[in-house]
Amino acid sequence: GNSVTQMEGPVTLSEEAFLTINCTYTATGYPSLFWYVQYPGEGLQLLLKATKADDKGSNKGFEATYRKETTSFHLEKGSVQVSDSAVYFCALSAPNTGGFKTIFGAGTRLFVKA
Amino acid sequence: GAVVSQHPSWVICKSGTSVKIECRSLDFQATTMFWYRQFPKQSLMLMATSNEGSKATYEQGVEKDKFLINHASLTLSTLTVTSAHPEDSSFYICSARPAGTNTGELFFGEGSRLTVL
Repeated sequence: GNSVTQMEGPVTLSEEAFLTINCTYTATGYPSLFWYVQYPGEGLQLLLKATKADDKGSNKGFEATYRKETTSFHLEKGSVQVSDSAVYFCALSAPNTGGFKTIFGAGTRLFVKA
Repeated sequence: GAVVSQHPSWVICKSGTSVKIECRSLDFQATTMFWYRQFPKQSLMLMATSNEGSKATYEQGVEKDKFLINHASLTLSTLTVTSAHPEDSSFYICSARPAGTNTGELFFGEGSRLTVL
């Protein structure tokens, strides 16, 4: 079945450090891939997405490239800020009986220190 | 972007009472909404898929009589936790997919934190 595996956290970085959160997936067919972010006490927000191989999603300085050959969708940011502290979820969405079904990774908590 | 609103954002109730949580899509129609449960520092657990005008589809292990879902219109789904007990305390999140989209993108509510005393 479909699955998403992302690196365990927490990840602790200093402000302006480079961020990578690894995400790999297993899926049949051609899923869409997403990164969602959850700030403390809130629901999830879409951070970026990619719907086909080699697409690069980007938003707020974050980027991720849909790599079909390595089945990966790693999240990167060149210079993190304290305000980026949150939990990041990698997810895939694939056609399923009756519609799409979204599978979430376990989430990676990021702490950014000033 | 599309907005999903959840209400209430937090609720405290006594054991044995029922609690209703609403999920509304404010600026789009959603034929399908999803309900999740999230335990502290854990990922989202899909509880059920709510389909407008038909019965919800529950995930394995989720009691349909315990967690009643009603999707009465294209912009509203409700989750009722019946006869709540302390073990039902959790963060409940809904999401919606705009009708007619095919990318699988979801829009999430703010979440509702339920505490059962």
